[in-house]
Amino acid sequence: AQSVSQHNHHVILSEAASLELGCNYSYGGTVNLFWYVQYPGQHLQLLLKYFSGDPLVKGIKGFEAEFIKSKFSFNLRKPSVQWSDTAEYFCAANTDKLIFGTGTRLQVFP
Amino acid sequence: ETGVTQTPRHLVMGMTNKKSLKCEQHLGHNAMYWYKQSAKKPLELMFVYSLEERVENNSVPSRFSPECPNSSHLFLHLHTLQPEDSALYLCASSSYGGGPYEQYFGPGTRLTVT
Repeated sequence: AQSVSQHNHHVILSEAASLELGCNYSYGGTVNLFWYVQYPGQHLQLLLKYFSGDPLVKGIKGFEAEFIKSKFSFNLRKPSVQWSDTAEYFCAANTDKLIFGTGTRLQVFP
Repeated sequence: ETGVTQTPRHLVMGMTNKKSLKCEQHLGHNAMYWYKQSAKKPLELMFVYSLEERVENNSVPSRFSPECPNSSHLFLHLHTLQPEDSALYLCASSSYGGGPYEQYFGPGTRLTVT
């Protein structure tokens, strides 16, 4: 069965630290990949997406993600986090339907 | 501001009550979805509607009954729920038609079943 795995369930960082959140998917065919963010009390918002082309995609708020097909991975990165990045981050893969990971809760302290 | 709205935002209901959740999208999309978000679990897709026809029903108990009267509105009718049905229910919409697409989410309805 298709699945998405996020190995980091809870990440705590200080401001200005670098961030990398892991995401792996299990599907051998063509897949579209997404990162969504859910700020406290707000709705899920799209951070970035990969459909095809350059495997390094840039999203909003300084986030980027790299699609590595050989590793079935789509890790999210940000070189310097801010307190306002505190949120829950969800990786998702779309084959014929959108499948989400369990989410990673990020806490950034000033 | 989101193009997908949901009402009510919070709902407390007893196990014998009947209630409905409403979702409206203002994005011109033709597909709408219901998801269940529980703590420490992936978002669970419940129902998919495309062009007002149900195209997916992910083994959801019959106490959840969806309705899609037009491409902008989606309802989830609830009756005789169980406490384990307490969760955040999210509505989403997207274009639909074979190509890659992203979904836009509403703020959710926080449901508590007592």
